[in-house]
Amino acid sequence: AQSVSQHNHHVILSEAASLELGCNYSYGGTVNLFWYVQYPGQHLQLLLKYFSGDPLVKGIKGFEAEFIKSKFSFNLRKPSVQWSDTAEYFCAVNARGYSTLTFGKGTMLLVSP
Amino acid sequence: SAVISQKPSRDICQRGTSLTIQCQVDSQVTMMFWYRQQPGQSLTLIATANQGSEATYESGFVIDKFPISRPNLTFSTLTVSNMSPEDSSIYLCSFIQEIFGTDTQYFGPGTRLTVL
Repeated sequence: AQSVSQHNHHVILSEAASLELGCNYSYGGTVNLFWYVQYPGQHLQLLLKYFSGDPLVKGIKGFEAEFIKSKFSFNLRKPSVQWSDTAEYFCAVNARGYSTLTFGKGTMLLVSP
Repeated sequence: SAVISQKPSRDICQRGTSLTIQCQVDSQVTMMFWYRQQPGQSLTLIATANQGSEATYESGFVIDKFPISRPNLTFSTLTVSNMSPEDSSIYLCSFIQEIFGTDTQYFGPGTRLTVL
């Protein structure tokens, strides 16, 4: 079975700071990788996903993530955060060919203006 | 992507009662899922619901406690039975949509349940 580990439960940044949220997974086979975001009072939204090809994937709102297979990692990055990025971020994985998602515990990002 | 809605958005219930949560998608989808997000925790899959077959439950979840219906390709219900305060959680439904040959899961807004 897969498992997903997100390193930080809470992150506090000032506006314009750079962001990197860590995500590691454990699974021996081929995986699909996702980052979801949940803004305050809103429902879970897909931020970006990796299925195959270029390991650097770009998502909405300036976010990107890099899949490093040798490290079983899929870290989320943004060069300059905004106050509106305050949200909870979830990394998720499923085994290729299966639909069931396994989620990390989430990282709460607070961006101060 | 398709639009997905849930009813109710929130409820406060008494111990020992049951609540049925409805999930509606505005297009036909094969696979639907029900998740639970307990306070301060991540999302945990309860079951997978395919139309025309019984739901498949994950370890730790049973049909008697969380009966699921999937009468057609756009609708599903989850019932939380004989509730206790430990069932206080956000319950989310989701569906799979294939876009350009890849499957992506989309989530409903959630139902926030508080059991007293």
